[in-house]
Amino acid sequence: QSVLTQPPSASGTPGQRVTISCSGSSSNIATNTVNWYQQLPGTAPKLLIYSDNQRPSGVPDRFSGSKSGTSASLAISGLQSEDEADYYCATWDDSLNGPVFGGGTKLTVL
Amino acid sequence: EVQLVQSGAEVKKPGESLRISCKGSGYSFTTYWISWVRQMPGKGLEWMGRIDPSDSYTTYSPSFQGHVTFSADKSISTAYLQWSSLKASDTAMYYCARGDGSNRFDPWGQGTLVTVSS
Repeated sequence: QSVLTQPPSASGTPGQRVTISCSGSSSNIATNTVNWYQQLPGTAPKLLIYSDNQRPSGVPDRFSGSKSGTSASLAISGLQSEDEADYYCATWDDSLNGPVFGGGTKLTVL
Repeated sequence: EVQLVQSGAEVKKPGESLRISCKGSGYSFTTYWISWVRQMPGKGLEWMGRIDPSDSYTTYSPSFQGHVTFSADKSISTAYLQWSSLKASDTAMYYCARGDGSNRFDPWGQGTLVTVSS
């Protein structure tokens, strides 16, 4: 059971906009910044969004992050087939005194 | 280019010992933490803990404390993850990742697959 809760799956058709939620608590998301990672099939995770809503260089602006209270969201607009991957949210947890990950969301592009 | 390169896949028997490595390049190795992350087959990411290569100060997740050991050799920009007695349940992909003060992990190593089977 992960400290951060994500839906196990999400899907969309090419060109659509999809969002992936990440629910936490007062000891993690509410008081710390959220990062998002993309894991393409058979590869290592890659930083997608950091500090709630910042994109590393090279990440398309189709990807955006937001946070409100104890929840965060990742939005992908103009969905493309190459976006099919697992997505993980992560943040620091003050009670556990360490970083925690969500359980991951498998995105399927139909 | 900043990168972390991990050692190759390993196949071991229960009870055997193992050390895998993670070599950093393209940045000052002692300026950032190195975290280790486990991904069991078909499962999500689990933070195991981290090491500060500048002084080898370590922090372990309670779930992994006592079962693994982190070390680092800053002279060769390499961090290590070690087991003294492997179990079948240690079968997983292990990633190292560079961590900064905001706890973002970037970049990640390519992963080391550890298979423990009799």
